[in-house]
Amino acid sequence: GESVGLHLPTLSVQEGDNSIINCAYSNSASDYFIWYKQESGKGPQFIIDIRSNMDKRQGQRVTVLLNKTVKHLSLQIAATQPGDSAVYFCAETIKAAGNKLTFGGGTRVLVKP
Amino acid sequence: DAGVIQSPRHEVTEMGQEVTLRCKPISGHNSLFWYRQTMMRGLELLIYFNNNVPIDDSGMPEDRFSAKMPNASFSTLKIQPSEPRDSAVYFCASRGLAGVGDTQYFGPGTRLTVL
Repeated sequence: GESVGLHLPTLSVQEGDNSIINCAYSNSASDYFIWYKQESGKGPQFIIDIRSNMDKRQGQRVTVLLNKTVKHLSLQIAATQPGDSAVYFCAETIKAAGNKLTFGGGTRVLVKP
Repeated sequence: DAGVIQSPRHEVTEMGQEVTLRCKPISGHNSLFWYRQTMMRGLELLIYFNNNVPIDDSGMPEDRFSAKMPNASFSTLKIQPSEPRDSAVYFCASRGLAGVGDTQYFGPGTRLTVL
């Protein structure tokens, strides 16, 4: 969940295709995970969350998968639309640490028409 | 609900000046968070409050930074004196329940430029 520097990884997706965004988190004690979407000039917007007692959760057009064995989180977006173009962040939190979220560095998704 | 409100949306100031950023959390939320976002360091938690009480300020970079929450509907983040390296987007977020893991909702941010 450490932030990275200037260069954001970028995923280019054709409109209508499915997108998969990956995130490696840092702490095996983390028990709650959130995906946020950030559009240019706006604050992060909640997309979906998952607790560590689950390995999959579905929302509207989005699915989050959690693999605690390898500390990996993914966000799947079905039928990607131009409005999905944004930077996506995963965030983790540890129960013992209270309410603090640790954000990953983010992935930029570009949807091609 | 209007969501988290931040003001100003943009602030340009000169080095050495005092800067005050303001936040109004979502009504009924009892946790408030201040974050800073830069290209180099991403999103960093600066400080958070539960029921108006500062819980963890370990992310505050220096003594030049201070935050207050005088009541449940208002918080400020102050930088005095400001420096060019403080230039960033500052976000405020609030959360409704005191339990761990409930969703934080972010404001639109304040883009600060220190010349």
